[in-house]
Amino acid sequence: RKEVEQDPGPFNVPEGATVAFNCTYSNSASQSFFWYRQDCRKEPKLLMSVYSSGNEDGRFTAQLNRASQYISLLIRDSKLSDSATYLCVVNQGHQAGTALIFGKGTTLSVSS
Amino acid sequence: DTAVSQTPKYLVTQMGNDKSIKCEQNLGHDTMYWYKQDSKKFLKIMFSYNNKELIINETVPNRFSPKSPDKAHLNLHINSLELGDSAVYFCASSLYSLQETQYFGPGTRLLVL
Repeated sequence: RKEVEQDPGPFNVPEGATVAFNCTYSNSASQSFFWYRQDCRKEPKLLMSVYSSGNEDGRFTAQLNRASQYISLLIRDSKLSDSATYLCVVNQGHQAGTALIFGKGTTLSVSS
Repeated sequence: DTAVSQTPKYLVTQMGNDKSIKCEQNLGHDTMYWYKQDSKKFLKIMFSYNNKELIINETVPNRFSPKSPDKAHLNLHINSLELGDSAVYFCASSLYSLQETQYFGPGTRLLVL
């Protein structure tokens, strides 16, 4: 089983749509969770951290289910500028030297 | 102001050559990283340094040797380049550890012919 799994997509949605991405991780000892965004031929950039209680940042909502080892990202009212690849990222522990594991990413294409 | 910079941006070279990629961050961060993103877009950590000390060394061929002359710089030297080394290499930094936001450089696109 892969350490961090995401549906690669692509997700093709019209502007204004609501879209949800899912991610599962295999290591139950994982401690920190993030969503990064990567535009075509650009570097990844942090979109948001994911907290146990769930968190929201404008049109973006992230949720974590530790029991199911599942992370989600919900984007409401999609904009053309949301088109990108969304990377689910998991940190496997608090100790220095533990690895940050990236999923392969989910591609979103928002069209007018 | 560029937070994390890498040079060169593009690197095309022949198999068997030795090449270096430089990375600098002006954020005052303690921890720096090298990642490899292959043609399938899979991003994988290679090395991490904290205050010039190696803390992560994933299963990477020993042809790859990172060097950190100070905490603001983490360079990557690659010996005897192979076709499979072709990828985008990203440098990144974070304030103290993997727990925090990582800031990535623009990437170095390496093509080995």
